[in-house]
Amino acid sequence: EADIYQTPRYLVIGTGKKITLECSQTMGHDKMYWYQQDPGMELHLIHYSYGVNSTEKGDLSSESTVSRIRTEHFPLTLESARPSHTSQYLCASSGRPSNTGELFFGEGSRLTVL
Amino acid sequence: QKEVEQNSGPLSVPEGAIASLNCTYSDRGSQSFFWYRQYSGKSPELIMSIYSNGDKEDGRFTAQLNKASQYVSLLIRDSQPSDSATYLCAVRSAGNMLTFGGGTRLMVKP
Repeated sequence: EADIYQTPRYLVIGTGKKITLECSQTMGHDKMYWYQQDPGMELHLIHYSYGVNSTEKGDLSSESTVSRIRTEHFPLTLESARPSHTSQYLCASSGRPSNTGELFFGEGSRLTVL
Repeated sequence: QKEVEQNSGPLSVPEGAIASLNCTYSDRGSQSFFWYRQYSGKSPELIMSIYSNGDKEDGRFTAQLNKASQYVSLLIRDSQPSDSATYLCAVRSAGNMLTFGGGTRLMVKP
């Protein structure tokens, strides 16, 4: 059973606000990812991390930032939210100790910026 | 050319039929292949993984891999309305990055 948690599940905020989407996993996975997905559209990788203090940008350019200070925690921050940031954000993890290669996804955070 | 290609669908099959979902990939060095199911508004969940050429069966699901043709497929036997979802093919390249296809939307009609 995958144990990866995202909060908040739903967030409606006004333009210009700073937001942080939380993601935590209890599987001890070394790799963590953030994907962005609009309804009915493809998954787009926006950030990933292969370990503590390691973060990289993904295929889709994003104004968000991430940090990885602890293995289990990979928060995503938007300093000034805009309506164009309205989307579903999915966190995932993979890697050691199981190292089976597949990603385990959280339930997602649906962000609406007014 | 996209790294992982899928027909977006929708693929419509009657209840009880076999649904066949296909995926092609461009990186010949790819080692691991996955099928995820994603219901509308939900996150993807892993349903099958396959690592070597041939067939792998799990219940009503069969994954097929042909590395020479760079082709992976998913067969769903005795399709049920609850199988209606988007199916995502994911390929892990030699560089260890997992790339998702755009997904195929499956509709199973009662």
